Amino acid sequence: QQQVKQSPQSLIVQKGGISIINCAYENTAFDYFPWYQQFPGKGPALLIAIRPDVSEKKEGRFTISFNKSAKQFSLHIMDSQPGDSATYFCAARDYNQGGKLIFGQGTELSVKP
Amino acid sequence: KAGVTQTPRYLIKTRGQQVTLSCSPISGHRSVSWYQQTPGQGLQFLFEYFSETQRNKGNFPGRFSGRQFSNSRSEMNVSTLELGDSALYLCASSGSTQETQYFGPGTRLLVL
Repeated sequence: QQQVKQSPQSLIVQKGGISIINCAYENTAFDYFPWYQQFPGKGPALLIAIRPDVSEKKEGRFTISFNKSAKQFSLHIMDSQPGDSATYFCAARDYNQGGKLIFGQGTELSVKP
Repeated sequence: KAGVTQTPRYLIKTRGQQVTLSCSPISGHRSVSWYQQTPGQGLQFLFEYFSETQRNKGNFPGRFSGRQFSNSRSEMNVSTLELGDSALYLCASSGSTQETQYFGPGTRLLVL
């Protein structure tokens, strides 16, 4: 049972464009939603995170939009750069289960120069 | 602060063997979680330890086990290795809020 569904699986964007990755969830016990960025051969690195009482959070070129009623959240990467080419994972935490994170399947982003 | 460290970084084993992986969390972090990452299944939660106690466990067979020491360092053990155990094993630590998890570089295990 996939508790966090992520789309698309892969994404190609031109340099300077906007990259958008979407995630959906069902479990209303989720209370924390981080996004991770992973480069080949590296562990995932936290990019940005949001709690469900906030509808949007922006850090630099990265923005999370959160729709609690629809149980959906998305990552927007503005002015995408070739250095942003990586795999992105959305995740969710169940407050009943401590630090356990449920991950989406990942999106492989390629930004073309 | 030093980040999460994992040893060894690469490991080759044969079927039937056992393996022990080590993780040192960020100083002051008491929660350590382990994840298995494969191309087909993505990132899957194995277990979480907090103050030397296993607090959560994922849906993995009993061949996968772990422990945490008083200094918060953690080890995971896989016994009777199978080909399907080939994966990147990631360790993550978190602090008092148990929200933000910081990942190590992982141990890449290849089972032949």
